[in-house]
Amino acid sequence: QKEVEQDPGPLSVPEGAIVSLNCTYSNSAFQYFMWYRQYSRKGPELLMYTYSSGNKEDGRFTAQVDKSSKYISLFIRDSQPSDSATYLCAMIAGNTNAGKSTFGDGTTLTVKP
Amino acid sequence: GAGVSQSPSNKVTEKGKDVELRCDPISGHTALYWYRQSLGQGLEFLIYFQGNSAPDKSGLPSDRFSAERTGGSVSTLTIQRTQQEDSAVYLCASTFAGMNTEAFFGQGTRLTVV
Repeated sequence: QKEVEQDPGPLSVPEGAIVSLNCTYSNSAFQYFMWYRQYSRKGPELLMYTYSSGNKEDGRFTAQVDKSSKYISLFIRDSQPSDSATYLCAMIAGNTNAGKSTFGDGTTLTVKP
Repeated sequence: GAGVSQSPSNKVTEKGKDVELRCDPISGHTALYWYRQSLGQGLEFLIYFQGNSAPDKSGLPSDRFSAERTGGSVSTLTIQRTQQEDSAVYLCASTFAGMNTEAFFGQGTRLTVV
């Protein structure tokens, strides 16, 4: 069983919809939780990160972490066609370099105009 | 440069040939990582360089895979006697030492073994 499981998708939504992307994990040592966005034929780029439990909002994006349930989510409000990409969750324990993150397999999102 | 640079962007090679993939990290970043991303899959860690320390090779799938990092900067990933299952996107990332919230990725090299 993988340490990080990500809802596989793909997801296809109409423009303006609210999107929920989710990951579960098994390693209770994870403390930093990241969401990367990867456009086609590009490398992943960090979208947001959260430390420990709680919510973090950045514009149309909200990241939620529930450590008690070992569950994280990324919400996208008023989704736009430019949000069409693959979203990867990533997690890391303690004082570990971000490059050693454990990644989910990604969820591909298509937002249709 | 401003970001992590990888070359070539695309590589098509015949089965059995050796290939070299290059990564030029962000200037000043001491940590460098190689990953493999197969179609529809997440990132598979391959190897990690940190400063002058011995590299962490724990993710290399076979002895056909090797990597070097010269002068603490540019890195080369070499795949010998390529197989069709080696076809994937190879991504390089770099970070500052101790950075635990973001890895900076290059655009990847798409390798196709025919």
